[in-house]
Amino acid sequence: GENVEQHPSTLSVQEGDSAVIKCTYSDSASNYFPWYKQELGKRPQLIIDIRSNVGEKKDQRIAVTLNKTAKHFSLHITETQPEDSAVYFCAAQGGSQGNLIFGKGTKLSVKP
Amino acid sequence: EPEVTQTPSHQVTQMGQEVILRCVPISNHLYFYWYRQILGQKVEFLVSFYNNEISEKSEIFDDQFSVERPDGSNFTLKIRSTKLEDSAMYFCASRPDRAIYGYTFGSGTRLTVV
Repeated sequence: GENVEQHPSTLSVQEGDSAVIKCTYSDSASNYFPWYKQELGKRPQLIIDIRSNVGEKKDQRIAVTLNKTAKHFSLHITETQPEDSAVYFCAAQGGSQGNLIFGKGTKLSVKP
Repeated sequence: EPEVTQTPSHQVTQMGQEVILRCVPISNHLYFYWYRQILGQKVEFLVSFYNNEISEKSEIFDDQFSVERPDGSNFTLKIRSTKLEDSAMYFCASRPDRAIYGYTFGSGTRLTVV
């Protein structure tokens, strides 16, 4: 089955710097790759997603890139702000039932 | 905006007891899911449900787990004999149809087994 690896597990940046989180997946049939932000005790919140027929997608300060050949995708956050501090999860979705397989998460800390 | 509703938000139960976690998916959605998240760990897939039957389940979803859609609106997860290691946040999710990617997650039920 699908396996998603996520790095780094923790990331600390200064406010205004960029943050990059990387994920790899194993199942070439996966065709949808969402990124979730989770604050303590809350549900995962979708922040951006990308489908397998697209290489890059951007939404204001957040962008995601996908390399299907290498089976990896990355989240880029520019001009980070303290409120960006949270745990970020990547996921891969595929198969007929569309189950999401999550990475282990990255705890992002943005220092003012 | 439509929401997936979960109740209760927090449940404490004694080891060995049965618990039922409840979810009300968005009304026009067809695919339903349960995920769990042990504190500090990743979100893990448990089971998917479509057309009134389980369509896929993970290794975690063993014989002590069951799901049901008893009345066309509620979607429940039952744990027959809870263990300490069942303590986790349980998230319900739904999506409209096969062609639509992405989920709506519920706010979760925190299950504490003592």
